[in-house]
Amino acid sequence: DVKVTQSSRYLVKRTGEKVFLECVQDMDHENMFWYRQDPGLGLRLIYFSYDVKMKEKGDIPEGYSVSREKKERFSLILESASTNQTSMYLCASGSTNTEAFFGQGTRLTVV
Amino acid sequence: GQQVMQIPQYQHVQEGEDFTTYCNSSTTLSNIQWYKQRPGGHPVFLIQLVKSGEVKKQKRLTFQFGEAKKNSSLHITATQTTDVGTYFCAADRGSTLGRLYFGRGTQLTVWP
Repeated sequence: DVKVTQSSRYLVKRTGEKVFLECVQDMDHENMFWYRQDPGLGLRLIYFSYDVKMKEKGDIPEGYSVSREKKERFSLILESASTNQTSMYLCASGSTNTEAFFGQGTRLTVV
Repeated sequence: GQQVMQIPQYQHVQEGEDFTTYCNSSTTLSNIQWYKQRPGGHPVFLIQLVKSGEVKKQKRLTFQFGEAKKNSSLHITATQTTDVGTYFCAADRGSTLGRLYFGRGTQLTVWP
């Protein structure tokens, strides 16, 4: 079974902290994605990566950065967390033209 | 911005009624995928449609891809309480970068 694992299920951070969300996949997928999900807004793409060290901005990249040093790992970084970044964060991986596999999600609360 | 329009946003039905969600794109798509997210869960892949006019069935679920490959629908016959969740379409525009464009989803509630 394909597995996409996110490092934390729940996270509480303080405003201004630097936050790292980690995602690991075990299927050698070239593409990895970070989404945030808010009620009524669906899945909004923050960043995606189509290869090691390669990244592309999604629809809402402001306030975020990413890192992909190894094929299996894709990290989302909140440089200085703010309360409006409180959300559910979903990582996904997949190959081009095929389905995406999602992690369980990280519910981040910034206080 | 919103690349794929999905309607309705919410649908409440009584068990046994039918349900349909629609997805529309302004551009021709390479393929379209459908996902289901149960309450508290993560999106799970249901199906992918590739050919113009394609129709696929999974038990009570029927998926269609329009002739122009710009729209798609998911129809559930005789809903059950296990169908509760949010259904997303995801459009593949054929980019080699593998990006999917998700609709906002239709949240289905089924009451017994």
